[in-house]
Amino acid sequence: KQEVTQIPAALSVPEGENLVLNCSFTDSAIYNLQWFRQDPGKGLTSLLLIQSSQREQTSGRLNASLDKSSGRSTLYIAASQPGDSATYLCAVRRGYGQNFVFGPGTRLSVLP
Amino acid sequence: GAVVSQHPSRVICKSGTSVKIECRSLDFQATTMFWYRQFPKQSLMLMATSNEGSKATYEQGVEKDKFLINHASLTLSTLTVTSAHPEDSSFYICSASLERGIFLAGDTQYFGPGTRLTVL
Repeated sequence: KQEVTQIPAALSVPEGENLVLNCSFTDSAIYNLQWFRQDPGKGLTSLLLIQSSQREQTSGRLNASLDKSSGRSTLYIAASQPGDSATYLCAVRRGYGQNFVFGPGTRLSVLP
Repeated sequence: GAVVSQHPSRVICKSGTSVKIECRSLDFQATTMFWYRQFPKQSLMLMATSNEGSKATYEQGVEKDKFLINHASLTLSTLTVTSAHPEDSSFYICSASLERGIFLAGDTQYFGPGTRLTVL
């Protein structure tokens, strides 16, 4: 059974810092991995999707990497801003047409 | 991009009543839809997989007689929480799978905005 963990559980940084969020999964046989952002009381915003054959994806200040063999992914946020404050969820899918398995999330606070 | 809607966005009901939540894919047909729930300060957990025209598949520990799922068309799945109790209070999110074929662009799942259920 796939299990996804995320470290740290919470993170508080001053504005402008670069930071890394970590995600680990126990079964390396994944179809893809996706990073989401969730604001309090809200739904999910998709940030980056990495297919199993890819090593990384970039969008603006965000960069996500995937090391499938070791069961790890990182989300790098450059020059953090207060607007980045949210919970970041990592999720993996085992196959085409299958559901996501979510990690517990990292709660990020960026202080002005 | 593809859009998935949920209705209602928020519902408050009395204990013992039933609540229906709709999940619609607005601009694509979804053979498969998934229902997740999220308790406060916890992550999303899969409740069930809904396939158009067939019975839903429920995860272990989810009561199928309590959480009724109907996927009557390729654009609509409904989740009915029957005889709701305060412990059913949660955030319910659906996702719809846009499938392009396993040998083409694969499939992408789009999430609805969620429904917050509060049972008094």
